[in-house]
Amino acid sequence: EPEVTQTPSHQVTQMGQEVILRCVPISNHLYFYWYRQILGQKVEFLVSFYNNEISEKSEIFDDQFSVERPDGSNFTLKIRSTKLEDSAMYFCASLRDFLIDTQYFGPGTRLTVL
Amino acid sequence: KQEVTQIPAALSVPEGENLVLNCSFTDSAIYNLQWFRQDPGKGLTSLLLIQSSQREQTSGRLNASLDKSSGRSTLYIAASQPGDSATYLCARLKGGSEKLVFGKGTKLTVNP
Repeated sequence: EPEVTQTPSHQVTQMGQEVILRCVPISNHLYFYWYRQILGQKVEFLVSFYNNEISEKSEIFDDQFSVERPDGSNFTLKIRSTKLEDSAMYFCASLRDFLIDTQYFGPGTRLTVL
Repeated sequence: KQEVTQIPAALSVPEGENLVLNCSFTDSAIYNLQWFRQDPGKGLTSLLLIQSSQREQTSGRLNASLDKSSGRSTLYIAASQPGDSATYLCARLKGGSEKLVFGKGTKLTVNP
C-alpha cells in the first residue's frame, strides 16, 4: 500500500541553524500538508500546499518557515533559524481528493533544537 | 475559537470490553470528522472519516457516529484487544478550510 515517507526520522540541530525536513507524498496525491506536535500537546496545522503554492497557513507558519515541492515528488519544510520552541514532531500529509478522502500522514520527523 | 475536545484523556479497560471514546467540537459548520490512531513515536493512521451529511461509519470492530447539532462524535470499539492500545485522535475539517483541527486524544490501554 502506498505511504507517505519522511526523512530524517530524527534531526538534532543547534538554535539558529537552518533545517530542511523532507517528505515524499503518495504519488498521485495533489494536496500536501505539514503539521507539528509538540510533546504532550495537540497536533497543529502549519501549512497546506496545492498547485505549487501555499493554499492556507496557520499563525505558527511565519517568515521563518517555507515549503517547496522542488521536483514533483519531494515536499520540503524549511525552518531558517531554529528556536528552542521549534522542537516537535513534524508530520507531512498528503491527500488525493479533497472532497472525499482523508489525509494520509507520514511517520514524522522528530526535531530537537538545542 | 475552533476547539476539539476529547474525553476521557486516558482509559484503561480489560480485554474484550466494549468502549466509547468521545469527541466534541465547538463549530457545527464542519465538512467532515475524522478519527485517527497514533502509536507511540509514530505517525497518524486514519481509522474512519464521516462526512457532514453522514451519521456514522463502520470499519470492522470500529463504529464512529456524528451528531452535528450537538457538536459530538463518538468512536465505539467492540471487543477490545491489547493491540488496540494507542492514542485515538479526532479531528474536524471545517468547510472553506483545509486544516484539520485535532483534539488532544484519548490514550487507550487494553489489558490482557
